[in-house]
Amino acid sequence: DGGITQSPKYLFRKEGQNVTLSCEQNLNHDAMYWYRQDPGQGLRLIYYSQIVNDFQKGDIAEGYSVSREKKESFPLTVTSAQKNPTAFYLCASPPNGQGNTEAFFGQGTRLTVV
Amino acid sequence: AQSVSQHNHHVILSEAASLELGCNYSYGGTVNLFWYVQYPGQHLQLLLKYFSGDPLVKGIKGFEAEFIKSKFSFNLRKPSVQWSDTAEYFCAVNANTGRRALTFGSGTRLQVQP
Repeated sequence: DGGITQSPKYLFRKEGQNVTLSCEQNLNHDAMYWYRQDPGQGLRLIYYSQIVNDFQKGDIAEGYSVSREKKESFPLTVTSAQKNPTAFYLCASPPNGQGNTEAFFGQGTRLTVV
Repeated sequence: AQSVSQHNHHVILSEAASLELGCNYSYGGTVNLFWYVQYPGQHLQLLLKYFSGDPLVKGIKGFEAEFIKSKFSFNLRKPSVQWSDTAEYFCAVNANTGRRALTFGSGTRLQVQP
């Protein structure tokens, strides 16, 4: 079954800890993105990667890091430097090709700092 | 930088009422426009999209949207809503620049009462 898989669905973190969210896709897409969703603020772009071994900061990258060592995987690390990490995190990926900018989304990971 | 505004944050309608959700974007060049829907507990799904051509686009589940370039708007409409349309709706834009990631509005929560 093709798609974007995010894990875990729920994640709890103690203050001061780093935590890594997983995003895997088997769609053979080149590009992958990470968004953060907060109530009343919509989705904001954290990081994006247009191709393997390359990634760029989005609009709210501070306190986050990513890697793109494999085409299928784009993990997001929420570091202790992120001041307000409690949020819903969404991974997305558009089909390949210049004109295809719509994105397919994973089910999301809800991160709670306790 | 591109931005998207959704002015209706929470809309409550009765079944069979007509729906119009506003979306305005700020970018002077060529844009691709999208409406996504997020049903409770589900992942984001594409409702409809506009790339070029007929400014009136039809999507799934009876939704349509009209692109009015002079007003920088892409409002979503449905003639008669159903209880099952209860969800959060997001307008998104991509400005056909090197960054293919979408910019989202803050979302509109639609509640349809039976």
